[in-house]
Amino acid sequence: RKEVEQDPGPFNVPEGATVAFNCTYSNSASQSFFWYRQDCRKEPKLLMSVYSSGNEDGRFTAQLNRASQYISLLIRDSKLSDSATYLCVVTGTNAGKSTFGDGTTLTVKP
Amino acid sequence: GAGVSQSPSNKVTEKGKDVELRCDPISGHTALYWYRQSLGQGLEFLIYFQGNSAPDKSGLPSDRFSAERTGGSVSTLTIQRTQQEDSAVYLCASTKQGELTEAFFGQGTRLTVV
Repeated sequence: RKEVEQDPGPFNVPEGATVAFNCTYSNSASQSFFWYRQDCRKEPKLLMSVYSSGNEDGRFTAQLNRASQYISLLIRDSKLSDSATYLCVVTGTNAGKSTFGDGTTLTVKP
Repeated sequence: GAGVSQSPSNKVTEKGKDVELRCDPISGHTALYWYRQSLGQGLEFLIYFQGNSAPDKSGLPSDRFSAERTGGSVSTLTIQRTQQEDSAVYLCASTKQGELTEAFFGQGTRLTVV
């Protein structure tokens, strides 16, 4: 079993839709969690950190469920520019090593 | 520099030749990662450095792959006797030691083996 697992998608949604991604992790000792965004042929970049209490940044909401060992990302009012691959990252499982999921691909259509 | 720098940005090599890929992490970042990404695929972990040591090199696909880091800074990934299946984008990332903070990526080296 992979340390970090994501539904690869693809998710194809119309503009304005709400879409949610989940990411599960296997090590209960994991300490920090992040969502990254990767555009086609570009390097991944941090989208947002995921805090225990949940956090929101504009149209994006991230949540952590330690009991069930998953994190989620909710995107409201999807824009065409949200089309990308979203990677979840879990840190602290091995001397601080960051482990990336394989990513979930989102395509927002007009 | 301000960000993670990788060189070369593109490399075309003949099958069987050796290649070296270079990564300059952000100054002060002691954790360094190498990943490989084939077209349309996810990140494939290769190796992780903390300082000059590699606590986790479990992702290196074969003994043709090796990596080193000197001075707690620059890292080199070497692929010997390249094969066509080695063609991919090789990404390097760095993070601060002791802080579980975001990883910063370089723009990658696109390797094509012909």
